Amino acid sequence: DAMVIQNPRYQVTQFGKPVTLSCSQTLNHNVMYWYQQKSSQAPKLLFHYYDKDFNNEADTPDNFQSRRPNTSFCFLDIRSPGLGDAAMYLCATSRTGQKQETQYFGPGTRLLVL
Amino acid sequence: GENVEQHPSTLSVQEGDSAVIKCTYSDSASNYFPWYKQELGKRPQLIIDIRSNVGEKKDQRIAVTLNKTAKHFSLHITETQPEDSAVYFCAASKGSSYKLIFGSGTRLLVRP
Repeated sequence: DAMVIQNPRYQVTQFGKPVTLSCSQTLNHNVMYWYQQKSSQAPKLLFHYYDKDFNNEADTPDNFQSRRPNTSFCFLDIRSPGLGDAAMYLCATSRTGQKQETQYFGPGTRLLVL
Repeated sequence: GENVEQHPSTLSVQEGDSAVIKCTYSDSASNYFPWYKQELGKRPQLIIDIRSNVGEKKDQRIAVTLNKTAKHFSLHITETQPEDSAVYFCAASKGSSYKLIFGSGTRLLVRP
C-alpha cells in the first residue's frame, strides 16, 4: 500500500547531540512537510518542500534543518537538541494539482531529549 | 496571517448522541477545509474535507458544513460511538499556498 513511513518511531538523544529523523513516501507526492507536535496541541509546521524548493517557516529555529535528496525521502536534522525540542515530529505529503490536495501524515517520530 | 479558531476545546457526549465542533477562519481566500482525527499517540488522519464550491458534505455518520459568508465550518458526528473519542483538528488552506492552518483541536469523549 502507498504510504508515508517515518523512522525511527522513537528516538532518544542527549541534550546537544545531533539527531536525524527520516521520512519516506511511496505516494509519489511532490510536496513534503515537517511538523512538530507537542502534547495534543495542533501540529506546527516547521518547513516544507515543494518539489526541490525549500520553504522555511519564519518562526522555525535555525537549530532545525532539512534535506530532500529525492522525491521519496526527506530528513529532519536537529543540530543541537534542547529539552524544549522533545515532541512528536510528523512528516506529511501532498500532491499539487488544479486544486489543493489532501495532506497525508506519517506515524510520527517521538523524540525524547535527556 | 490566516487564523483558525476552533470550539469547544473539550466535548463530552453520551454514546448515541450527536457532537458538533465549530471552526472559524479569517482569510476569505481559503478554499479547502479538512478535518483530522487524532487518537492518542497516533497520526492525524483525514476523516472528511470540503472545498469552497460546496456547502455540505456527508460520509456516513460524519458531515461537514461550510458557510463562506460567515467564514465558518462545522463537523457533525451523529450516533457517536466510544471509538469516536479522539482529538479532532480543523484546518484551512487556500489554493495559492500548500500550507494548512490548523485549529487548536477539540478533545471529544464519548461516554459508553
